[in-house]
Amino acid sequence: AQSVAQPEDQVNVAEGNPLTVKCTYSVSGNPYLFWYVQYPNRGLQFLLKYITGDNLVKGSYGFEAEFNKSQTSFHLKKPSALVSDSALYFCAVRARMDSSYKLIFGSGTRLLVRP
Amino acid sequence: SQTIHQWPATLVQPVGSPLSLECTVEGTSNPNLYWYRQAAGRGLQLLFYSVGIGQISSEVPQNLSASRPQDRQFILSSKKLLLSDSGFYLCAWNSGQGVVNTEAFFGQGTRLTVV
Repeated sequence: AQSVAQPEDQVNVAEGNPLTVKCTYSVSGNPYLFWYVQYPNRGLQFLLKYITGDNLVKGSYGFEAEFNKSQTSFHLKKPSALVSDSALYFCAVRARMDSSYKLIFGSGTRLLVRP
Repeated sequence: SQTIHQWPATLVQPVGSPLSLECTVEGTSNPNLYWYRQAAGRGLQLLFYSVGIGQISSEVPQNLSASRPQDRQFILSSKKLLLSDSGFYLCAWNSGQGVVNTEAFFGQGTRLTVV
């Protein structure tokens, strides 16, 4: 079965410190992976994606993610966290459905950056 | 540029009443369209997807239905709402022009409360 797991319900980090939000996946074929961020009562905003190429992907707002095929992981990272980064983060993987594809989302990880 | 509109932003409906949520996309043609539900501010559940006019696929059996009367219009409906239909509903689109590995773009969501 194709799936995405975000093992942490919440991640707490102090402002200025590096942050990591974990994601592992299970998919047949080459994985296409995505990260999204959601602020309260808003839709999801796209942050970055891995399709092919370099394992380190850079995205919006200083975020980056590292694709690790052997560990089937796609962790989201940022060198220096901001209080404004506090939000709900979703990892997603593209999965085959009939003649098209859909995005399967993880359960989300709440990031709390304290001043 | 492409934009996605979803309305209304909030809705309070009594049990047993009908529902109609609308989503439209601008600036693209033949998009894949999706309806997701997010319960309790966490995981996203795919409800329906559509790869073309009149083509609707349902992911889970439920009290809701979807229709796509025009290329860039996606409607979520119910004849009689249940309390369990309360949640945050998100419409999304991605490219249907063969580039199926593109990220999805989300509307701002509709907060539905059934009372």
